[in-house]
Amino acid sequence: AQSVAQPEDQVNVAEGNPLTVKCTYSVSGNPYLFWYVQYPNRGLQFLLKYITGDNLVKGSYGFEAEFNKSQTSFHLKKPSALVSDSALYFCAVRDGSGGYQKVTFGTGTKLQVIP
Amino acid sequence: DTEVTQTPKHLVMGMTNKKSLKCEQHMGHRAMYWYKQKAKKPPELMFVYSYEKLSINESVPSRFSPECPNSSLLNLHLHALQPEDSALYLCASSHGTGEPQHFGDGTRLSIL
Repeated sequence: AQSVAQPEDQVNVAEGNPLTVKCTYSVSGNPYLFWYVQYPNRGLQFLLKYITGDNLVKGSYGFEAEFNKSQTSFHLKKPSALVSDSALYFCAVRDGSGGYQKVTFGTGTKLQVIP
Repeated sequence: DTEVTQTPKHLVMGMTNKKSLKCEQHMGHRAMYWYKQKAKKPPELMFVYSYEKLSINESVPSRFSPECPNSSLLNLHLHALQPEDSALYLCASSHGTGEPQHFGDGTRLSIL
């Protein structure tokens, strides 16, 4: 079984400050981890992924995420938040072992960047 | 601009109507997905097609009927829907079933 948790329903941050959106996961095998962003009335947009390799993953729009195996976390970060980053963020996980397994999405975190 | 195109963007239908949602991608992806999303909730997987064959059906009611006519197209046929089926229906595609998914902007469906 696999699961992902996003403990914060909403994160508020001032424009220009660093932001972190938290995600923890649980899988039996090796995790494939993803972050997506959703703007109002739009589909999900892929930001970044971790499959293997360097624990610090860089993605689109200046976002990055750090894979921490011991803490089973994959937090999304950005050094300087923009008002345009305000959106709904989803973390997702897939067990990388074995055959096809569906991606499990977290419940989402609403990011509000305050001007 | 999204690389996965969904039509129509909005659909209002009565409970006795039959309608279809359409999805198209030209990225050469061989996996295609239908999701249902309620407001401020994560997407819920409905169906997965891999190489034009239905590989996953997440126990979706038979009033939803998927179809994959070719590697670029995915349809979702709707019949006798219920008010609780009102939602945003998202189509996605990926190179493989473990790769990042590319989503369309969805069809917002309202059942009267």
